[in-house]
Amino acid sequence: QLQLQESGPGLVKPSETLSLTCSVSGGSIGSSIYYWGWIRQPPGKGLEWIGSIYHSGNTYYTPSLKSRVTILVDTSRNQFSLKLNSVTAADTAVYYCARGEDLGVAGLGTFDIWGQGTMVSVSS
Amino acid sequence: DIQMTQSPSTLSASVGDRVTITCRASQSISRWLAWYQQRPGKAPKLLIHKASTLESGVPSRFSGSGSGTEFTLTISSLQPDDFATYYCLHYSSYSYSFGQGTKLEIK
Repeated sequence: QLQLQESGPGLVKPSETLSLTCSVSGGSIGSSIYYWGWIRQPPGKGLEWIGSIYHSGNTYYTPSLKSRVTILVDTSRNQFSLKLNSVTAADTAVYYCARGEDLGVAGLGTFDIWGQGTMVSVSS
Repeated sequence: DIQMTQSPSTLSASVGDRVTITCRASQSISRWLAWYQQRPGKAPKLLIHKASTLESGVPSRFSGSGSGTEFTLTISSLQPDDFATYYCLHYSSYSYSFGQGTKLEIK
């Protein structure tokens, strides 16, 4: 059964770069019918999609974060990663990685399998 | 960008009640709408996709309907496990938009 696991520092200083990795087990990240995404949730607030990546490296980002976000895929390690630079306190959140279905010409599909999430705090 | 507006923000109900949560899109999204359940401290769980298709393993008391700009999630007879927060999600077109969530509380 496919599982996703986020990892990375739980505390990042303001203006620095947040870096997280999502490790995929029980299946291949190279599958042609899925995208891989990052979603975050500030404490007590709702969900926000950050971006998604295909195994080929094609990426899609939410406009509000596009200038600060990089998502990469490493098919040899069955992992994908998130980098968010110039962080502020507003970036404090639980960060989730998830699998999304490729809808082909229709675009990105629902996220059906999620990691457990990892809390990242931005503070000096 | 397409905006998703959920209502109500909070809903108080009792075990056995029938409840409905609404999600409205700022423009037509056909049937590209999913519903998620999130319990405290847990990742969201996919309940319904394509507006009305029940995910495998999800109890049949959950149902979704709608198309275009207005969608509903109905729970036919609330069970204790159903008290959680529910989110709608518009997908496709290479972007996603979540609703702000509806917290379902025990009355």
